[in-house]
Amino acid sequence: AQSVAQPEDQVNVAEGNPLTVKCTYSVSGNPYLFWYVQYPNRGLQFLLKYITGDNLVKGSYGFEAEFNKSQTSFHLKKPSALVSDSALYFCAVVSGGYNKLIFGAGTRLAVHP
Amino acid sequence: GAGVSQSPSNKVTEKGKDVELRCDPISGHTALYWYRQSLGQGLEFLIYFQGNSAPDKSGLPSDRFSAERTGGSVSTLTIQRTQQEDSAVYLCASSLGGKGASGELFFGEGSRLTVL
Repeated sequence: AQSVAQPEDQVNVAEGNPLTVKCTYSVSGNPYLFWYVQYPNRGLQFLLKYITGDNLVKGSYGFEAEFNKSQTSFHLKKPSALVSDSALYFCAVVSGGYNKLIFGAGTRLAVHP
Repeated sequence: GAGVSQSPSNKVTEKGKDVELRCDPISGHTALYWYRQSLGQGLEFLIYFQGNSAPDKSGLPSDRFSAERTGGSVSTLTIQRTQQEDSAVYLCASSLGGKGASGELFFGEGSRLTVL
């Protein structure tokens, strides 16, 4: 069965510092991996995805994620955090076709001025 | 409309009552999903519709939950005999679906259900 784990409930970062939000996955077959963000009182928004190709994926708002097959990880990164990045971040995985996207529990990112 | 529309945005009901939540997906999107987000929890998959195929109902938590998608467009999630543990935000998403699609889901703002 496919699953995804986000080991940190919350990540605290000072504005201007680099940030990392961790995600590991478990699937049979090749994984398709996604990051979504949920701002307060808003719906989820797509950030980026990995399907195939380059292991480093660039997405919206300056975010990027690195696919690491040997470590089964897909950590979300940003070189310089902004206070406006504070939100709830979800990692998601699907194997095979594009159906039944399974989400992690979410990680709350708090960026302090 | 331009995005996924859900109604009602908020629903307060009494334990034991039935509720219906509606989702109007993006026009042309063949795939439609329902998820549930409880306070402090992640997103729990409920059900997935893809075109005319039989829906994947594997995430529905009990037989009190059901969903329909009429004409390949609008979907209704029905919860019968609501319980307090059903209180959550119910999120609908749609995508282009099918082989070769981007896999990106477009989410609505959600319907917040409170069962007293």
